[in-house]
Amino acid sequence: AQSVTQLGSHVSVSEGALVLLRCNYSSSVPPYLFWYVQYPNQGLQLLLKYTTGATLVKGINGFEAEFKKSETSFHLTKPSAHMSDAAEYFCAVSSSNDYKLSFGAGTTVTVRA
Amino acid sequence: KAGVTQTPRYLIKTRGQQVTLSCSPISGHRSVSWYQQTPGQGLQFLFEYFSETQRNKGNFPGRFSGRQFSNSRSEMNVSTLELGDSALYLCASSLGGGDSNQPQHFGDGTRLSIL
Repeated sequence: AQSVTQLGSHVSVSEGALVLLRCNYSSSVPPYLFWYVQYPNQGLQLLLKYTTGATLVKGINGFEAEFKKSETSFHLTKPSAHMSDAAEYFCAVSSSNDYKLSFGAGTTVTVRA
Repeated sequence: KAGVTQTPRYLIKTRGQQVTLSCSPISGHRSVSWYQQTPGQGLQFLFEYFSETQRNKGNFPGRFSGRQFSNSRSEMNVSTLELGDSALYLCASSLGGGDSNQPQHFGDGTRLSIL
């Protein structure tokens, strides 16, 4: 079984500052890892994914994440926060032939002007 | 390309009733998954269908059921509604196939409120 732990339910950053959202996973098989963003009253939008290959993954809206197997982590970063980044972010894990996503509890990002 | 479409967007029911939610996947996507999102339990997997076959099921009571049609559209049904069934129900589609590495694309959900 796979699981995900997101450290910090709320993160507040200043506009222009670094955004760092932490995600640790547990999986007995090679994981597939995803980050999603959810804006109020909307569904989830895929930011980026890691399946195999390059461990540094670039996504949309300037976000990127690095897969570190030794640390079982998949932290999400963005160098410079924008007001439009205020949303809830979810890390999720899956694996081959699993056919489901297991989500973390989510991290709400607030951006201060 | 149209995204995942869920209908209705909002629904109000009373305890004991049943409800059917509908999901139309992205064209060409053959896998449809359903998730329940609540403030207390977060995002929880309900079930996944591919080519009209359920391949995986989450830990929900038998009151929750689903099906997929030959055109990949899917429905989920909840019978004998309870107050705790109030939630946002999200549908997601992906290309499917033999591996789970394809990203899932989500609809905007159906907000179900039980009175």
